[in-house]
Amino acid sequence: QSVLAQPPSVSGAPGQRVTISCTGSSSNIGAIYGVHWYQQLPGAAPKLLIHDNTNRPSGVPDRFSGSKSGTSASLAITGLQAEDEADYHCQSYDISLSEWVFGGGTKLTVL
Amino acid sequence: EVQLVESGGVLVQPGGSLRLSCAASGFTFSSYEMNWVRQAPGKGLEWLSFISGSGNPIYYADSVKGRFTVSRDNARNSLHLQMNGLRPEDTAVYYCATKTPGTSYFDHWGQGTLLTVSS
Repeated sequence: QSVLAQPPSVSGAPGQRVTISCTGSSSNIGAIYGVHWYQQLPGAAPKLLIHDNTNRPSGVPDRFSGSKSGTSASLAITGLQAEDEADYHCQSYDISLSEWVFGGGTKLTVL
Repeated sequence: EVQLVESGGVLVQPGGSLRLSCAASGFTFSSYEMNWVRQAPGKGLEWLSFISGSGNPIYYADSVKGRFTVSRDNARNSLHLQMNGLRPEDTAVYYCATKTPGTSYFDHWGQGTLLTVSS
């Protein structure tokens, strides 16, 4: 049971927009620390995609964007491409647990 | 270019011990906090341990506290995870990951090493 809740799967057709939600609580997403997102391509290690709610590391296309409101966050992917098919994980820090916490991951299927 | 290469994952019997290693290159190792994160088959990511650039402080997830010990050798640019009392539920791919001081996310990840705990 992950501390942060994500839908197990989402799907979309090429060119479409999809969003992935991440729901937490006042001790993690709703606290002072940001929400971060990782992309994990099939058979590969996770890669940082979005940090501190909305920031893209160098090299990440602007088709990927993040947002946060209260105790929830979202990752949006526009102009969906076949190579976006991957697992996406959200992450934050939980001040009650004193642990870095993840969501259970969401599998994105490009139809 | 940042490179992290984990090693040491094997098949171990329940109750056994194992030491994982992570070889770092391409950055000033001692300036980065290091973490271990694991992923059980078909599951999400689970943070396990944190060690500061100097080696102190160290933090662990409750799930491994008392069984796992993290250490680093800044002279050799290496990170280690000593795992004792292994259980079948410890079966997972183990990743090392960097964290820049002052941030709460993991910048770079290794490719992972698979540990299987089974009789």
